[in-house]
Amino acid sequence: QVQLVQSGSELKKPGASVKVSCKASGYTFTSYAMNWVRQAPGQGLEWMGWINTNTGNPTYAQGFTGRFVFSLDTSVSTAYLQISSLKAEDTAVYYCARDLSRYSSSYFDYWGQGTLVTVSS
Amino acid sequence: DIQMTQSPSSVSASVGDRVTITCRASQGISSWLAWYQQKPGKAPKLLIYAASSLQSGVPSRFSGSGSGTDFTLTISSLQPEDFATYYCQQANSFPPLTFGGGTKVEIK
Repeated sequence: QVQLVQSGSELKKPGASVKVSCKASGYTFTSYAMNWVRQAPGQGLEWMGWINTNTGNPTYAQGFTGRFVFSLDTSVSTAYLQISSLKAEDTAVYYCARDLSRYSSSYFDYWGQGTLVTVSS
Repeated sequence: DIQMTQSPSSVSASVGDRVTITCRASQGISSWLAWYQQKPGKAPKLLIYAASSLQSGVPSRFSGSGSGTDFTLTISSLQPEDFATYYCQQANSFPPLTFGGGTKVEIK
């Protein structure tokens, strides 16, 4: 069965970096695009962008450029989200979400369990 | 960016009720719309995509309709496990893909 398993919760200080992993199983990793979605505490869902798992080419939503980096290790079917220069407002649950599409971003049929990143001094 | 506006923001309903949630796009998105259900502390779950296509494994009491700018999610007979927050999401024009603000379905 398809599963996306994310790394555990993180507590970081402002200015630090964090790397969240999303390990896929139960399907061919490079056959579907991968998205990242943020949910701040008590708030709605915000699409951060997606990565083409064939080419490794990322696309970032406005507001998620510069400090946010999507990457892959296809040898272990894992996608990564790295956030640098963390700010308090980065405190959120971060989800990876598999796309129904291979080459684009559209609808998200499988989701990771979410990774809570807390930024606090 | 395309803005997605959901209404109502919350609804109180009883088991067995018919519940309808609406989503309006700031510009036409054809049928590029999905609906998700999210329970507290859990990841969202895809219910409907392409405005009216039921995702595999989702009960048939959920249905979606609409095209262009106006869409609806209907739960024909509300079940206890359906109390959750529901989000619409457009996939017509990106970046960015955008979500509605959510509709919380609460127990009356």
